[in-house]
Amino acid sequence: DTGVSQNPRHKITKRGQNVTFRCDPISEHNRLYWYRQTLGQGPEFLTYFQNEAQLEKSRLLSDRFSAERPKGSFSTLEIQRTEQGDSAMYLCASKDGAVTNTGELFFGEGSRLTVL
Amino acid sequence: SQKIEQNSEALNIQEGKTATLTCNYTNYSPAYLQWYRQDPGRGPVFLLLIRENEKEKRKERLKVTFDTTLKQSLFHITASQPADSATYLCALVGEFGNEKLTFGTGTRLTIIP
Repeated sequence: DTGVSQNPRHKITKRGQNVTFRCDPISEHNRLYWYRQTLGQGPEFLTYFQNEAQLEKSRLLSDRFSAERPKGSFSTLEIQRTEQGDSAMYLCASKDGAVTNTGELFFGEGSRLTVL
Repeated sequence: SQKIEQNSEALNIQEGKTATLTCNYTNYSPAYLQWYRQDPGRGPVFLLLIRENEKEKRKERLKVTFDTTLKQSLFHITASQPADSATYLCALVGEFGNEKLTFGTGTRLTIIP
């Protein structure tokens, strides 16, 4: 498998529950990004990692959100005490940081969260 | 504040014609601009990148122009086909090394047979 893999693809949860999404990037890619996309909107940047270091976080990422990439390979995005406003598609993307002159991101298929 | 606008939410084009999508930005000095295609329920797929010092880029039936004076990019699909129907997103990057993409809202293109 040479693509970005995200799990689960769909998650339905009740308000107040915690959810965790996993992203497995393309194996040789050292940069990993999380985006959130709501219906009719473009993806919005949440955070990104270079290897295991989290280099930037958006103001959209409230204290209830935490992302990790412990060994510089897969990443998890956890949302605690979910709210209905968290309902969205959570997209993961990866990039080979050494290839700085293209900027192309490779996206996964996303994890759709519905908070009831 | 920084803003990226794509010309319309939806665009219907007759098969075989050229589809032209517009991306305008304000309060932004991008190092480069990218176009992505997104099908329903799927992640975006990269199509083309154009740098601030480039005027035009082509790839098969796709053409992108970038006018930093007008702060605008145009995305053209020539000889359009129903399979080109999708949402097209433009995305800007502020500087090399900080490759956080800022996306527009997208234009949903439908090619009518």
